[in-house]
Amino acid sequence: AQTVTQSQPEMSVQEAETVTLSCTYDTSESNYYLFWYKQPPSRQMILVIRQEAYKQQNATENRFSVNFQKAAKSFSLKISDSQLGDTAMYFCASNYGGSQGNLIFGKGTKLSVKP
Amino acid sequence: GAVVSQHPSWVICKSGTSVKIECRSLDFQATTMFWYRQFPKQSLMLMATSNEGSKATYEQGVEKDKFLINHASLTLSTLTVTSAHPEDSSFYICSAPRWGRGAETQYFGPGTRLLVL
Repeated sequence: AQTVTQSQPEMSVQEAETVTLSCTYDTSESNYYLFWYKQPPSRQMILVIRQEAYKQQNATENRFSVNFQKAAKSFSLKISDSQLGDTAMYFCASNYGGSQGNLIFGKGTKLSVKP
Repeated sequence: GAVVSQHPSWVICKSGTSVKIECRSLDFQATTMFWYRQFPKQSLMLMATSNEGSKATYEQGVEKDKFLINHASLTLSTLTVTSAHPEDSSFYICSAPRWGRGAETQYFGPGTRLLVL
């Protein structure tokens, strides 16, 4: 079965510091994408960052970057200079099989940024 | 970025009634849309895949006669919860895939909170 695993139910970080959220996945597919989504208290799912499995270079989006280790099937999210607005649930997800595929989500990590 | 809307955002209904939730892709077309359900403090669980011009595909354990899905056009999918009961109370979210910058990304609607009394 194709799975996405987030082993950290909750994490906290001080404002302006750096935090890393972990994610591992398991698939036999060769073509897939990996995503991190943020869900703030409003419950709107917001795309944080995306990684194509065929790309070796780690994706970055401003303060957000990933450490994609394909052989280890690991996809962690690093948030630098954490801000209060980063407080949210973070979900790791993948659409194994590529185009028009649904997402498989991890259980999520609740991140609290403390002032 | 791509925008997906859902309506209504909140609905409270009596047990036994039916509720229709609309999901629209506002600035792109989607031949496929997805419906998820999320219980409090839990992750998103895929309920079904909505296909424009054909029948929806339901995940194992999801009652197709209870959760009716119609993909009426390339920008609209509807989920109807028929004869709703309190156990159907949940947060329902739709998503639609869109290609951009050489990759496909799922864009999510804001969700619909359903409370069945």
